[in-house]
Amino acid sequence: DAGITQSPRHKVTETGTPVTLRCHQTENHRYMYWYRQDPGHGLRLIHYSYGVKDTDKGEVSDGYSVSRSKTEDFLLTLESATSSQTSVYFCAISPDSPNQPQHFGDGTRLSIL
Amino acid sequence: QKEVEQNSGPLSVPEGAIASLNCTYSDRGSQSFFWYRQYSGKSPELIMSIYSNGDKEDGRFTAQLNKASQYVSLLIRDSQPSDSATYLCAVNLGGSYIPTFGRGTSLIVHP
Repeated sequence: DAGITQSPRHKVTETGTPVTLRCHQTENHRYMYWYRQDPGHGLRLIHYSYGVKDTDKGEVSDGYSVSRSKTEDFLLTLESATSSQTSVYFCAISPDSPNQPQHFGDGTRLSIL
Repeated sequence: QKEVEQNSGPLSVPEGAIASLNCTYSDRGSQSFFWYRQYSGKSPELIMSIYSNGDKEDGRFTAQLNKASQYVSLLIRDSQPSDSATYLCAVNLGGSYIPTFGRGTSLIVHP
């Protein structure tokens, strides 16, 4: 299995609080991604990174920010969580070559009350 | 709009039958195609990648790609109850290195 660790695995928090999710990889892959998965919507890309300090927005980036200060870590931050951000969040990685498949972490189940 | 379309299902097949899952995509210039399996409450796991027209076989799984008709399919032979899951199609539309995912097809294999 690809070495991807997401933390925390589960989190319950209140509206308006900041939340940071962490994705850690041991594969030294260049590309890292954050998705959210909701019933009826499938996997939707939030942000992605193509190198240290190189990030870009996905289709549902509003309300989220990311940082990548090291190859192995990609952080997703909800600055002020809202109930609409209750979801399952997946991190994925893919190697340097383009058009290679992604491998996913185990996910974080986030509930915002 | 660039899209990847899948029938949400559920597709119900008896044990031992062939399950056929289909996916269509919007961009004729797409080059990379992937099938993932996702069990309930788990993360997606890669089943197959396919890049060229035709069939690609891996055990009980066969991926079929037809770029002219813009569809990719997944056949599962000798379906087992353990194959019951949601199957996600992903396409690097127009040569993008970021895949676009379909919403998935739920497969139920009943004994």
